[in-house]
Parts: sequence; structure tokens; C-alpha cells
Amino acid sequence: EAQVTQNPRYLITVTGKKLTVTCSQNMNHEYMSWYRQDPGLGLRQIYYSMNVEVTDKGDVPEGYKVSRKEKRNFPLILESPSPNQTSLYFCASSLSDKYNEQFFGPGTRLTVL
Amino acid sequence: AQSVTQPDIHITVSEGASLELRCNYSYGATPYLFWYVQSPGQGLQLLLKYFSGDTLVQGIKGFEAEFKRSQSSFNLRKPSVHWSDAAEYFCAVPNSGGYQKVTFGTGTKLQVIP
Repeated sequence: EAQVTQNPRYLITVTGKKLTVTCSQNMNHEYMSWYRQDPGLGLRQIYYSMNVEVTDKGDVPEGYKVSRKEKRNFPLILESPSPNQTSLYFCASSLSDKYNEQFFGPGTRLTVL
Repeated sequence: AQSVTQPDIHITVSEGASLELRCNYSYGATPYLFWYVQSPGQGLQLLLKYFSGDTLVQGIKGFEAEFKRSQSSFNLRKPSVHWSDAAEYFCAVPNSGGYQKVTFGTGTKLQVIP
């Protein structure tokens, strides 16, 4: 089944404790992206990647890191999480670029205390 | 910079009634436009997309949208709403230029009452 998977689905952590949210897709998509969803703000793009070793900032990249060492994986790293990063995070992938339909993962709900 | 505006935060309709969700965009050229739906507790799913050509676009689940350049709008419609349509709906536009960004609207939450 074609899908985007994220782990963990739920995470409660404390300020400053490094964490990684994994994202994997099995559709051989080149384009992958991370979004955060906050009430009243919709989805905001954090980072995106056009292919292996090619990443760029979205609209809200501060406090996040990403890497794309393999085509299928696009982990989101919070080196020192803060409470304002409490949010619902979505990973998405698409065939080649921003003009294609994006396929979304189920989301990761992160709470930073 | 590109932007999309969804003026309605929350809409309530009766089951069987018609639906129209508004989306206004700001874009230099002819835009690519998307509508996504997010059912409770799930990720987003594409409903339909507009690239060029026919301004009336058909999507999944009986939805359609009409691109109106003169009004900078891409409103989503459905003639008869079902209870299962209760969800949050997002309009989105890819940014022009070299950056591979996608901008989403703030969403419209649809409530369907019996």
C-alpha cells in the first residue's frame, strides 16, 4: 500500500531534550516536506526536500533541522525543543515538485513541557 | 509572495444542503490551486486541483471547484452534503519562482447537522 508513515504518532517531552520524528514514504517520491499545524494558522511549511541531499527552508524553519540521506526518509529533528514547538506535525511527499499532489502522513502530535 | 485566504473559519450546514467554501488567492500569474480535506484525526487528502484549461474542476467525493480569475477565487462546492463530509478543508497554492514552497490557507471547518 502506498503510504507516508510517521513515528511516533504522539510524543510528550520536556524543554531541551533532543528528539527526532521520522518520516518514510514508499512511493519513490522525490519531493518531501514537513508542516506544522496550529489552530487558526493552518499548515505552515517547515522544510522541504527536492531529492537526496537537497533541502531548503520553508516558512517556519527556526528550531528545526532535517536531513535527506535516503530518498524514502526525511526525519525532522528538534535539537532543543521549546514549548512553542508544541504542535501537530505532518510529513508529506509528492512525485517531483510543488506542483504535484502531496500525500500526507497521519501526523505526529508533539507536546513540549 | 503568494497567499491564500479562506475567509470562513467555521461553517455549519444541514445534511442534504448545498455547500460552498471560499478561497481567494494572491498570485502573479495563472496559479496552480489545490483543495485538500482533513478528516478528524487524519492527514490531508487531495480533493481536486486546477492547473489550466477548464475552469470548472471535478474532484473526488462529489466535490467541484471553479476558478475565477476576475475574482481571484477558487471556491469549493458540493450540491448535497453528507454527514461524512464533516472535516476541515484547506486551499493551497505552490509559490511561484524557484522556491519549492507550498502555502496553505488557514482552513475552514465544516460541521454537518442532521
